[in-house]
Amino acid sequence: GAVVSQHPSWVICKSGTSVKIECRSLDFQATTMFWYRQFPKQSLMLMATSNEGSKATYEQGVEKDKFLINHASLTLSTLTVTSAHPEDSSFYICSARAIPQGAVKETQYFGPGTRLLVL
Amino acid sequence: QKEVEQDPGPLSVPEGAIVSLNCTYSNSAFQYFMWYRQYSRKGPELLMYTYSSGNKEDGRFTAQVDKSSKYISLFIRDSQPSDSATYLCAMTLSGGYNKLIFGAGTRLAVHP
Repeated sequence: GAVVSQHPSWVICKSGTSVKIECRSLDFQATTMFWYRQFPKQSLMLMATSNEGSKATYEQGVEKDKFLINHASLTLSTLTVTSAHPEDSSFYICSARAIPQGAVKETQYFGPGTRLLVL
Repeated sequence: QKEVEQDPGPLSVPEGAIVSLNCTYSNSAFQYFMWYRQYSRKGPELLMYTYSSGNKEDGRFTAQVDKSSKYISLFIRDSQPSDSATYLCAMTLSGGYNKLIFGAGTRLAVHP
């Protein structure tokens, strides 16, 4: 259980275009999903918390107009990188809250990630 | 000072070795502790999930939490080349949902 998918797994785009990344919880409903960014050999950097039916909460320093998040259903959140530039090239990972088997408190299950390269 | 400190490695061990991965933290309010494994170019995978102090074993993996020392460990017995990955510790507070605070991750290489 607690499987999270992402699509696409990688994308190459030209500078100035917008890119949409989908995150889906496959076998459970997720009222809250998270979007992370990861640079090579670095840890995860939380970008925003996505709540179903409401606006996302962005971390300090993350441009909300640059990284649009929509959580339209209990199984789908999308991240749109608008007017992408080479510095937006990175590995984007989503996660969703779920309770592990035998546990009483939620943790996060991660998707496989999306590698974005902006030329 | 970072909330969670983790040696980034890399750590290189021969196949069959016992591996010890560690994190220290500064916030004594952390109650839930996790270890994630991340293969190159993949998302993190939840390995171990523990609450408060004590040990938890799952196959070749043992997670240990020492709240008095603010220190958590992950032990891997009989390490295999397939264990080569980055291991991230993570922790969070109790009482409702709180963000996960991650360590930097330790890169492990198990060579045949």
